[in-house]
Amino acid sequence: AQTVTQSQPEMSVQEAETVTLSCTYDTSESDYYLFWYKQPPSRQMILVIRQEAYKQQNATENRFSVNFQKAAKSFSLKISDSQLGDAAMYFCAYRRLTSGTYKYIFGTGTRLKVLA
Amino acid sequence: NAGVTQTPKFRILKIGQSMTLQCTQDMNHNYMYWYRQDPGMGLKLIYYSVGAGITDKGEVPNGYNVSRSTTEDFPLRLELAAPSQTSVYFCASSSLAGGRGTDTQYFGPGTRLTVL
Repeated sequence: AQTVTQSQPEMSVQEAETVTLSCTYDTSESDYYLFWYKQPPSRQMILVIRQEAYKQQNATENRFSVNFQKAAKSFSLKISDSQLGDAAMYFCAYRRLTSGTYKYIFGTGTRLKVLA
Repeated sequence: NAGVTQTPKFRILKIGQSMTLQCTQDMNHNYMYWYRQDPGMGLKLIYYSVGAGITDKGEVPNGYNVSRSTTEDFPLRLELAAPSQTSVYFCASSSLAGGRGTDTQYFGPGTRLTVL
């Protein structure tokens, strides 16, 4: 069965610094998608970045980038030039195709605190 | 577009009461999902739907029912509420993505439910 593990319950970063959030997953599939979602205090889930497993190149979205290591089944999120608005819960998610339907498996989340 | 809307935002139920959580999306997405998020945890899939008239169980379906009579609406019904159903409920939708599609889940703002 696929699982997603986020081993850091909480992280802190100084404003303008860089922080990396870890995520590992377990799967026997070769083609899949990985996602990072942000959940601010408003509780709405916001897509941060997406990575397709068949692509070698790491995804980048402005200050957000990933380090995707397929063989190691690792998918970390790097936030550069951290801002106070980045403070939130961050969830790593794996998307699988099962019985013809896409389903998402979420990690337990990492709470990011940004210090002024 | 309003995206995914959920009502109500907050609700307190007594044990044994029933209620329906409403979810509507205006993006013409065929996939819709219901998740629950318990404190400090990631999201667990309750039910999902791949189109009008088609629904199926997720990881934690017990105590819930769904229906999908239209593309836009995907209500979640709680029968005989129990304290274990105290949680935040998220509805999400995505478009059908065959093969290497790039569908993304769009989440509603969530419903915080307390069962006393």
